[in-house]
Amino acid sequence: NAGVTQTPKFQVLKTGQSMTLQCAQDMNHEYMSWYRQDPGMGLRLIHYSVGAGITDQGEVPNGYNVSRSTTEDFPLRLLSAAPSQTSVYFCASSSIRGQSSYNSPLHFGNGTRLTVT
Amino acid sequence: EDKVVQSPLSLVVHEGDTVTLNCSYEVTNFRSLLWYKQEKKAPTFLFMLTSSGIEKKSGRLSSILDKKELSSILNITATQTGDSAIYLCAVSSGTYKYIFGTGTRLKVLA
Repeated sequence: NAGVTQTPKFQVLKTGQSMTLQCAQDMNHEYMSWYRQDPGMGLRLIHYSVGAGITDQGEVPNGYNVSRSTTEDFPLRLLSAAPSQTSVYFCASSSIRGQSSYNSPLHFGNGTRLTVT
Repeated sequence: EDKVVQSPLSLVVHEGDTVTLNCSYEVTNFRSLLWYKQEKKAPTFLFMLTSSGIEKKSGRLSSILDKKELSSILNITATQTGDSAIYLCAVSSGTYKYIFGTGTRLKVLA
């Protein structure tokens, strides 16, 4: 039961570097999303996707890009890392087939702890 | 602006105590309210409450949704050290939108 798999678990970047956080799910979920979690601020939505080829912005999209070429994968790209992007990043997915996504619980990956120096 | 507020921010109790965690919300298009438990890694799903299911129970955990007061409580009875975690409340609002509270950090002492 893999569920939602995120890699890497930890990453340290220098300001200005770019990288991609990987997310894969094996539950055939249509909906996938990226959150960042910061102390005192809860989980904030960065980007989400409701299917292959469809993405949209969340609450805090600046500095991040996403794409969805397959149902399984939803990578998050940091174009030019900044210290403000130091955070824990979670990928989450849910099923929307046959019902609205807001009636389905989100399934989370184990997170990626990113530090930008 | 949609928002979810949880209280208290943190709580320290002894094993065997009963705790009540609170979640209040202001959202434009309420669909459901979800509770999650977060230990070291991923938040894990506990309950989902909707207009057609306002009360859920699983073992020592139970939750109630009060749509009139726009709030929910999560009760944990006979707490154990394994209940120590951050408890997150989220509200599903409109299409594909989940708003999370900042969480309540619970510590249960042996």
